[in-house]
Amino acid sequence: EAGVAQSPRYKIIEKRQSVAFWCNPISGHATLYWYQQILGQGPKLLIQFQNNGVVDDSQLPKDRFSAERLKGVDSTLKIQPAKLEDSAVYLCASSLNRVTGNSPLHFGNGTRLTVT
Amino acid sequence: GEDVEQSLFLSVREGDSSVINCTYTDSSSTYLYWYKQEPGAGLQLLTYIFSNMDMKQDQRLTVLLNKKDKHLSLRIADTQTGDSAIYFCAARSSNTGKLIFGQGTTLQVKP
Repeated sequence: EAGVAQSPRYKIIEKRQSVAFWCNPISGHATLYWYQQILGQGPKLLIQFQNNGVVDDSQLPKDRFSAERLKGVDSTLKIQPAKLEDSAVYLCASSLNRVTGNSPLHFGNGTRLTVT
Repeated sequence: GEDVEQSLFLSVREGDSSVINCTYTDSSSTYLYWYKQEPGAGLQLLTYIFSNMDMKQDQRLTVLLNKKDKHLSLRIADTQTGDSAIYFCAARSSNTGKLIFGQGTTLQVKP
């Protein structure tokens, strides 16, 4: 099966600019996640969607970050305006189910963002 | 709150066994996962264990779970240079479904 697709792979922007990342999950996966992975740390959940609804966005800095999953398939994550501390790898993941049973997350290769 | 802790670094010789340890705090964690991350890549699911199990073996990988102590370990038998990577432990809450990651253990395999 095709994996989780993300684009772009790399992005370099200046602070105060805006940027958007795109994710296409594995076909049939209802749950989609965006994680932020700062160098040397484990991934931190930013937002979780179940179909096209938000389940958890408690860790999303909503003053500058936004995400949507229209039609319950693809998703975009936007940062506007970017800060230096937003430099990280942004990982998208998907799973069949949110909670029930064993539903492991499958990750894309991520987008490496550098803010200068 | 929910937390997952791992040792940061492990160095072994090729052919030896590697043991990576992890502790978690959320007693409602039902599934515990091990992911592998190679440079420039996403996270690859290696194996998982359900909280009512003590042990799971999958080829060279053995996962041990001590639920009382909330301690998880991953043993890699006959470690190869291709096993060099960062290994992440993750715990999934049965209440929220949220997957919490540790900070990762860098495994260095010397020839």
